[in-house]
Amino acid sequence: GESVGLHLPTLSVQEGDNSIINCAYSNSASDYFIWYKQESGKGPQFIIDIRSNMDKRQGQRVTVLLNKTVKHLSLQIAATQPGDSAVYFCAEKTIGANSKLTFGKGITLSVRP
Amino acid sequence: SQTIHQWPATLVQPVGSPLSLECTVEGTSNPNLYWYRQAAGRGLQLLFYSVGIGQISSEVPQNLSASRPQDRQFILSSKKLLLSDSGFYLCAWTGGTDTEAFFGQGTRLTVV
Repeated sequence: GESVGLHLPTLSVQEGDNSIINCAYSNSASDYFIWYKQESGKGPQFIIDIRSNMDKRQGQRVTVLLNKTVKHLSLQIAATQPGDSAVYFCAEKTIGANSKLTFGKGITLSVRP
Repeated sequence: SQTIHQWPATLVQPVGSPLSLECTVEGTSNPNLYWYRQAAGRGLQLLFYSVGIGQISSEVPQNLSASRPQDRQFILSSKKLLLSDSGFYLCAWTGGTDTEAFFGQGTRLTVV
Protein backbone atom coordinates (compact mmCIF):
# COMPACT_ATOMS: atom_id res chain seq x y z
CA GLY A 1 0.00 0.00 0.00
CA GLU A 2 1.01 3.64 -0.23
CA SER A 3 2.81 5.16 2.71
CA VAL A 4 4.61 8.25 3.87
CA GLY A 5 8.39 7.86 4.12
CA LEU A 6 11.41 9.85 5.19
CA HIS A 7 14.77 10.08 3.41
CA LEU A 8 17.08 10.13 6.46
CA PRO A 9 16.77 8.37 9.79
CA THR A 10 18.96 10.84 11.76
CA LEU A 11 20.06 14.43 11.39
CA SER A 12 22.75 16.19 13.45
CA VAL A 13 23.02 19.98 13.28
CA GLN A 14 24.99 22.66 15.06
CA GLU A 15 23.09 24.94 17.39
CA GLY A 16 22.19 28.12 15.56
CA ASP A 17 22.23 26.51 12.12
CA ASN A 18 19.13 25.92 10.03
CA SER A 19 17.70 22.40 9.84
CA ILE A 20 15.91 20.84 6.90
CA ILE A 21 13.97 17.64 7.36
CA ASN A 22 12.62 15.94 4.25
CA CYS A 23 9.70 13.62 3.64
CA ALA A 24 8.48 11.79 0.56
CA TYR A 25 4.88 10.75 0.21
CA SER A 26 3.35 8.47 -2.35
CA ASN A 27 -0.42 8.81 -1.93
CA SER A 28 -1.57 11.26 -4.57
CA ALA A 29 -5.00 11.37 -2.91
CA SER A 30 -3.61 13.04 0.21
CA ASP A 31 -4.60 16.67 0.53
CA TYR A 32 -3.45 17.64 4.00
CA PHE A 33 0.00 17.28 5.52
CA ILE A 34 1.26 17.78 9.04
CA TRP A 35 4.60 17.88 10.80
CA TYR A 36 4.80 16.56 14.36
CA LYS A 37 7.51 16.72 17.01
CA GLN A 38 7.81 13.93 19.54
CA GLU A 39 9.93 14.16 22.64
CA SER A 40 10.99 11.04 24.47
CA GLY A 41 8.14 9.28 26.25
CA LYS A 42 5.50 11.72 25.06
CA GLY A 43 2.85 11.84 22.39
CA PRO A 44 3.52 13.74 19.15
CA GLN A 45 2.85 17.45 19.17
CA PHE A 46 1.65 19.49 16.23
CA ILE A 47 4.20 21.81 14.64
CA ILE A 48 2.72 23.06 11.40
CA ASP A 49 0.39 21.92 8.65
CA ILE A 50 -0.19 22.62 4.98
CA ARG A 51 -3.01 21.91 2.57
CA SER A 52 -2.45 20.64 -0.93
CA ASN A 53 -3.56 23.94 -2.48
CA MET A 54 -0.51 25.63 -0.94
CA ASP A 55 3.22 25.20 -1.55
CA LYS A 56 4.61 27.06 1.44
CA ARG A 57 3.54 27.96 4.92
CA GLN A 58 5.47 29.72 7.65
CA GLY A 59 5.22 29.59 11.39
CA GLN A 60 7.43 30.75 14.20
CA ARG A 61 10.96 29.63 13.20
CA VAL A 62 9.47 26.86 11.04
CA THR A 63 8.53 26.67 7.38
CA VAL A 64 6.85 23.80 5.56
CA LEU A 65 7.27 23.39 1.82
CA LEU A 66 5.12 21.16 -0.35
CA ASN A 67 6.06 20.06 -3.85
CA LYS A 68 3.17 18.09 -5.25
CA THR A 69 4.93 17.44 -8.55
CA VAL A 70 7.52 15.22 -6.90
CA LYS A 71 5.43 14.39 -3.82
CA HIS A 72 7.90 15.96 -1.43
CA LEU A 73 7.40 17.69 1.89
CA SER A 74 10.03 19.45 3.95
CA LEU A 75 10.29 21.14 7.33
CA GLN A 76 12.77 23.95 7.80
CA ILE A 77 13.74 25.04 11.30
CA ALA A 78 15.57 28.34 11.55
CA ALA A 79 18.29 28.92 14.15
CA THR A 80 18.02 25.42 15.59
CA GLN A 81 18.06 25.27 19.37
CA PRO A 82 18.81 22.42 21.83
CA GLY A 83 15.11 22.25 22.62
CA ASP A 84 14.46 21.28 19.01
CA SER A 85 16.12 17.92 19.60
CA ALA A 86 13.38 15.34 19.13
CA VAL A 87 11.92 12.90 16.63
CA TYR A 88 10.05 14.54 13.77
CA PHE A 89 7.27 12.89 11.80
CA CYS A 90 5.49 13.93 8.69
CA ALA A 91 1.92 12.75 8.30
CA GLU A 92 -0.69 12.82 5.60
CA LYS A 93 -4.44 12.62 5.51
CA THR A 94 -6.53 11.24 2.71
CA ILE A 95 -9.48 13.02 1.20
CA GLY A 96 -13.01 12.34 2.45
CA ALA A 97 -15.05 11.97 5.60
CA ASN A 98 -13.40 8.69 6.52
CA SER A 99 -9.90 10.05 6.15
CA LYS A 100 -7.17 8.55 8.27
CA LEU A 101 -3.86 9.95 9.40
CA THR A 102 -0.78 8.05 8.20
CA PHE A 103 2.70 8.73 9.57
CA GLY A 104 6.13 8.45 8.05
CA LYS A 105 8.95 6.58 9.74
CA GLY A 106 10.34 9.51 11.69
CA ILE A 107 13.72 11.21 11.86
CA THR A 108 15.74 12.07 14.94
CA LEU A 109 17.08 15.62 15.06
CA SER A 110 20.11 16.03 17.32
CA VAL A 111 21.35 19.55 18.04
CA ARG A 112 25.04 19.92 18.92
CA PRO A 113 25.87 22.71 21.40
CA SER B 1 -11.19 23.50 24.84
CA GLN B 2 -10.70 19.95 23.71
CA THR B 3 -8.67 17.47 25.74
CA ILE B 4 -7.82 13.82 25.37
CA HIS B 5 -7.23 11.46 28.24
CA GLN B 6 -5.42 8.18 27.97
CA TRP B 7 -4.68 5.74 30.77
CA PRO B 8 -2.80 4.11 32.30
CA ALA B 9 0.54 5.78 31.57
CA THR B 10 2.51 2.61 32.16
CA LEU B 11 1.50 -1.02 32.37
CA VAL B 12 3.36 -4.27 32.92
CA GLN B 13 1.38 -7.37 32.07
CA PRO B 14 2.26 -11.07 31.89
CA VAL B 15 2.00 -13.00 28.65
CA GLY B 16 -1.48 -14.41 28.20
CA SER B 17 -3.21 -11.81 30.34
CA PRO B 18 -5.98 -9.54 28.99
CA LEU B 19 -5.56 -5.87 28.12
CA SER B 20 -7.83 -2.86 28.23
CA LEU B 21 -6.58 0.64 27.43
CA GLU B 22 -9.04 3.49 27.50
CA CYS B 23 -9.09 6.82 25.74
CA THR B 24 -11.65 9.58 26.14
CA VAL B 25 -12.02 12.93 24.45
CA GLU B 26 -13.64 16.01 25.92
CA GLY B 27 -14.85 19.22 24.35
CA THR B 28 -15.81 17.92 20.93
CA SER B 29 -18.42 15.69 19.35
CA ASN B 30 -18.22 13.01 16.68
CA PRO B 31 -14.42 12.92 16.55
CA ASN B 32 -12.44 10.50 14.40
CA LEU B 33 -10.48 8.36 16.84
CA TYR B 34 -7.22 6.48 16.33
CA TRP B 35 -5.04 3.93 18.09
CA TYR B 36 -1.35 3.87 17.14
CA ARG B 37 1.49 1.68 18.34
CA GLN B 38 5.10 2.79 18.41
CA ALA B 39 7.97 0.34 18.92
CA ALA B 40 11.14 1.73 20.51
CA GLY B 41 12.94 4.04 18.10
CA ARG B 42 10.37 3.45 15.40
CA GLY B 43 7.52 5.25 13.72
CA LEU B 44 3.82 5.28 14.43
CA GLN B 45 1.84 2.32 13.18
CA LEU B 46 -1.88 2.88 12.76
CA LEU B 47 -3.78 0.02 14.42
CA PHE B 48 -7.42 1.11 14.38
CA TYR B 49 -9.47 4.13 13.51
CA SER B 50 -13.10 4.96 14.04
CA VAL B 51 -15.38 7.52 12.42
CA GLY B 52 -18.36 6.85 14.69
CA ILE B 53 -19.89 4.74 17.45
CA GLY B 54 -19.47 1.05 16.70
CA GLN B 55 -17.50 1.78 13.51
CA ILE B 56 -13.99 0.34 13.66
CA SER B 57 -11.47 -0.06 10.86
CA SER B 58 -8.53 -2.36 11.46
CA GLU B 59 -5.34 -1.54 9.64
CA VAL B 60 -3.21 -4.60 10.35
CA PRO B 61 -3.96 -8.15 11.46
CA GLN B 62 -2.94 -8.57 15.05
CA ASN B 63 -3.72 -9.77 18.50
CA LEU B 64 -5.66 -6.64 19.39
CA SER B 65 -9.18 -5.32 18.98
CA ALA B 66 -10.84 -1.95 19.43
CA SER B 67 -14.28 -0.78 20.41
CA ARG B 68 -16.12 2.52 20.51
CA PRO B 69 -19.05 2.16 22.89
CA GLN B 70 -19.62 5.91 23.15
CA ASP B 71 -18.98 8.87 20.88
CA ARG B 72 -15.91 10.04 22.76
CA GLN B 73 -14.59 6.76 24.13
CA PHE B 74 -12.18 4.44 22.35
CA ILE B 75 -10.93 1.20 23.93
CA LEU B 76 -8.05 -1.01 22.88
CA SER B 77 -8.25 -4.62 24.06
CA SER B 78 -6.66 -7.99 23.90
CA LYS B 79 -7.84 -11.33 25.28
CA LYS B 80 -4.32 -12.75 25.59
CA LEU B 81 -1.23 -10.58 25.34
CA LEU B 82 1.89 -11.64 23.46
CA LEU B 83 5.45 -10.47 24.05
CA SER B 84 5.29 -8.72 20.69
CA ASP B 85 2.43 -6.53 21.94
CA SER B 86 4.91 -4.52 24.01
CA GLY B 87 5.21 -0.92 22.87
CA PHE B 88 4.05 2.63 23.28
CA TYR B 89 0.35 3.00 22.50
CA LEU B 90 -1.06 6.33 21.50
CA CYS B 91 -4.65 7.45 21.16
CA ALA B 92 -5.49 10.42 18.95
CA TRP B 93 -8.48 12.30 17.61
CA THR B 94 -9.23 14.54 14.67
CA GLY B 95 -12.20 16.78 14.03
CA GLY B 96 -12.56 16.30 10.31
CA THR B 97 -10.79 16.06 6.99
CA ASP B 98 -8.46 19.02 7.24
CA THR B 99 -7.58 19.17 10.87
CA GLU B 100 -4.56 18.09 12.83
CA ALA B 101 -4.60 15.11 15.17
CA PHE B 102 -4.33 15.61 18.91
CA PHE B 103 -2.58 12.89 20.86
CA GLY B 104 -2.86 11.53 24.33
CA GLN B 105 0.25 11.12 26.42
CA GLY B 106 0.55 7.44 25.60
CA THR B 107 0.66 4.12 27.46
CA ARG B 108 3.94 2.28 27.80
CA LEU B 109 2.99 -1.42 27.75
CA THR B 110 5.55 -4.06 28.68
CA VAL B 111 4.54 -7.67 28.31
CA VAL B 112 6.71 -9.98 30.39
